[in-house]
Amino acid sequence: EAGVAQSPRYKIIEKRQSVAFWCNPISGHATLYWYQQILGQGPKLLIQFQNNGVVDDSQLPKDRFSAERLKGVDSTLKIQPAKLEDSAVYLCASSSSWGFEQYFGPGTRLTVT
Amino acid sequence: AQSVTQLDSQVPVFEEAPVELRCNYSSSVSVYLFWYVQYPNQGLQLLLKYLSGSTLVKGINGFEAEFNKSQTSFHLRKPSVHISDTAEYFCAVTDLMDTGRRALTFGSGTRLQVQP
Repeated sequence: EAGVAQSPRYKIIEKRQSVAFWCNPISGHATLYWYQQILGQGPKLLIQFQNNGVVDDSQLPKDRFSAERLKGVDSTLKIQPAKLEDSAVYLCASSSSWGFEQYFGPGTRLTVT
Repeated sequence: AQSVTQLDSQVPVFEEAPVELRCNYSSSVSVYLFWYVQYPNQGLQLLLKYLSGSTLVKGINGFEAEFNKSQTSFHLRKPSVHISDTAEYFCAVTDLMDTGRRALTFGSGTRLQVQP
């Protein structure tokens, strides 16, 4: 069974530029999550989707971050404009509708200069 | 709201020695508990989980954890570590409220450094 796929693995941008990350969950997993992991910290949830609907985006900085999951499968997370403090690893995870276990992708390491 | 405290940021240990990584949580409702491992430049891999039943949970790679409700702890143990166990370990919780929210709240991580 293929795991959670993410791309790109690494991205370096200048502040005020925009960037987008892509995630493809495990096949059949209806629930998709985006987490932000700042160096030296545990991951923090940005947004949770159930199919193509948003369940929880209470910690998403909506003035600059956006995410979509239009067809209920893959998802895109965008930052526009980026700030220095957005430097982090962005992790995508997925789970089945009934399960609590989350399975993580390899992450995208973003560096904002 | 929940919180997770991992009491040790780093744990150095010699190969083949036992190890315990400590985790305490705070929540006003019942929770599910998890341990994840993160190797350098990789995502998080599920080590083990406590959902219900026996409070002693066995996971992959010889790890186990014990849920202690009265002490709100979920410590991770391994009787004999290998060099390959060197990694960052995260304790995480999610509550059982039927809201559809499944966000994991993570601790800040414990760096396990196994020395030869």
